[in-house]
Amino acid sequence: AQSVAQPEDQVNVAEGNPLTVKCTYSVSGNPYLFWYVQYPNRGLQFLLKYITGDNLVKGSYGFEAEFNKSQTSFHLKKPSALVSDSALYFCAVRFQGGKLIFGQGTELSVKP
Amino acid sequence: GAVVSQHPSRVICKSGTSVKIECRSLDFQATTMFWYRQFPKQSLMLMATSNEGSKATYEQGVEKDKFLINHASLTLSTLTVTSAHPEDSSFYICSARGHGRTSDTFGNEQFFGPGTRLTVL
Repeated sequence: AQSVAQPEDQVNVAEGNPLTVKCTYSVSGNPYLFWYVQYPNRGLQFLLKYITGDNLVKGSYGFEAEFNKSQTSFHLKKPSALVSDSALYFCAVRFQGGKLIFGQGTELSVKP
Repeated sequence: GAVVSQHPSRVICKSGTSVKIECRSLDFQATTMFWYRQFPKQSLMLMATSNEGSKATYEQGVEKDKFLINHASLTLSTLTVTSAHPEDSSFYICSARGHGRTSDTFGNEQFFGPGTRLTVL
């Protein structure tokens, strides 16, 4: 079965430090991977996606993610965290027809 | 970029009543819309996929007679929670996928609504 997992429920980072939010996947065939961010009581905002091509994908708000086929990972990164980055982050894999299956979510907390 | 709206943003109802939630694509035609349910601090669970003009496809474990989905036009899908009970209280989120090359600068092709908070007393 195709799935994604986010091993950390919460990540705490100091403002200005680099951040990483982890995601691993299990899919058959080539994965279509996504990262979304959710602020309290809001819908999801798209950050970036990997379909094919360069393993390092750049997205919205200065975020990037690295696709690693050998480790079946797609970690989200940002070189310098902002307090305003504090939110709930979801990794997702896309099935045929556009259906998205989400990971459990990771709560990112960036302290001043 | 493409915008998806949901109405209402929050609703409180009595147990046993039915509640309708609307999902609209404001500036593009959505051939496919998805309905998700989210409990506090948990992931989104896909409930159903609806394609304009055809019956919705429900995920395993989702009662189609309880969660009625209608996708009557290319810009509107509705989710009706029938005979709502307190356990149906949740955050309901829709997303819409456009036809053809609807996407934004970063290649996003599926756009999410802001969600509807349903509380059943």
